[in-house]
Amino acid sequence: RKEVEQDPGPFNVPEGATVAFNCTYSNSASQSFFWYRQDCRKEPKLLMSVYSSGNEDGRFTAQLNRASQYISLLIRDSKLSDSATYLCVVNKNSGAGSYQLTFGKGTKLSVIP
Amino acid sequence: NAGVTQTPKFQVLKTGQSMTLQCAQDMNHNSMYWYRQDPGMGLRLIYYSASEGTTDKGEVPNGYNVSRLNKREFSLRLESAAPSQTSVYFCASSEAAGALRYEQYFGPGTRLTVT
Repeated sequence: RKEVEQDPGPFNVPEGATVAFNCTYSNSASQSFFWYRQDCRKEPKLLMSVYSSGNEDGRFTAQLNRASQYISLLIRDSKLSDSATYLCVVNKNSGAGSYQLTFGKGTKLSVIP
Repeated sequence: NAGVTQTPKFQVLKTGQSMTLQCAQDMNHNSMYWYRQDPGMGLRLIYYSASEGTTDKGEVPNGYNVSRLNKREFSLRLESAAPSQTSVYFCASSEAAGALRYEQYFGPGTRLTVT
């Protein structure tokens, strides 16, 4: 299994739709999980952290299933401004108390008027 | 508060030329990182610095060197550029390598083309 694997996309959805992104990770020792958003030709920006109990931020809901090593992101009532690439990100312990992040390749979302 | 800044924004090099990409952060973060992003490959870690005075190789270090000049600055050097190094380079920083929060904050990137 690849370290972090995401739906290849792209997803093209109409405004107002609900869209779900899925992600699996291979390192069972991972402790921190994130969704980043990257606009075209821009840097990645943190969208939200993902907690074990699941968490919500407005129209965005993130879920974590440690047993299945699975992470999801749900976007409700999609807006045109949600069009971007969504990156699933997982930390890994690189030894000596340092940690790296491993990024999925991303899933591109286009919200259509 | 500028966050993470990178210079230059764009650069064109000829094969064999050298250059240094500069990165600075003003968030008092301990850890800094250099990534490259290529189409279809996602972000790949080149080098990182867990704290001032330390540097370590990431996934794709060949052809690069780094310097953690001080807590704020982390530079990436290409000694002899090759066309395979054409990419978008991102610098990032995070609060502390051993902290519970590992989220990273990225600079705007440097678009490098090697001809």
